[in-house]
Amino acid sequence: GNSVTQMEGPVTLSEEAFLTINCTYTATGYPSLFWYVQYPGEGLQLLLKATKADDKGSNKGFEATYRKETTSFHLEKGSVQVSDSAVYFCALRRSGFGNEKLTFGTGTRLTIIP
Amino acid sequence: EAQVTQNPRYLITVTGKKLTVTCSQNMNHEYMSWYRQDPGLGLRQIYYSMNVEVTDKGDVPEGYKVSRKEKRNFPLILESPSPNQTSLYFCASTGTGETQYFGPGTRLLVL
Repeated sequence: GNSVTQMEGPVTLSEEAFLTINCTYTATGYPSLFWYVQYPGEGLQLLLKATKADDKGSNKGFEATYRKETTSFHLEKGSVQVSDSAVYFCALRRSGFGNEKLTFGTGTRLTIIP
Repeated sequence: EAQVTQNPRYLITVTGKKLTVTCSQNMNHEYMSWYRQDPGLGLRQIYYSMNVEVTDKGDVPEGYKVSRKEKRNFPLILESPSPNQTSLYFCASTGTGETQYFGPGTRLLVL
């Protein structure tokens, strides 16, 4: 079946540090890949996505590239801010089979200290 | 504004007392889904619906029911809640192949 494995947290970084959160997946076919972010007390928001191999998703300074050869979709940001503190979820979806289910990783809690 | 709403946001109840968590979306999406979020497990799908009167089980459906009588609403029903259903619940909606929108979550405690 489909699965997503992401870096265990929590992760604590200083402001302006470089961020990488690793994500690898197992899926048949050609899934779409997503990063969602959950700020304290809120629901999940889409951060970025990529729908085919070699696509790069980007938003708010975050980037992730869909690497089919390594089945990875690592999240990166060059200079993090305190406001980036949140829980980050990697997810995949296989569309066109009726169920638009997202399969999530376990989440990585990120804390940025000033 | 595109929105998924859930009510209540917080709920404390006792074992066996039936409850309903409502979910509504204003985007005319055909597809809606319920997830539960538990520490160390991420989000897991409970039930989903591809359209009015079309529902099916997700990965963890035991102890839950749903209905889809109108396109905009997709309530989650716990007929006889148990402590292992203490969790954070999210409703989501999407068009086929489109971005999935999530509600703000309902935190449930079953004593």
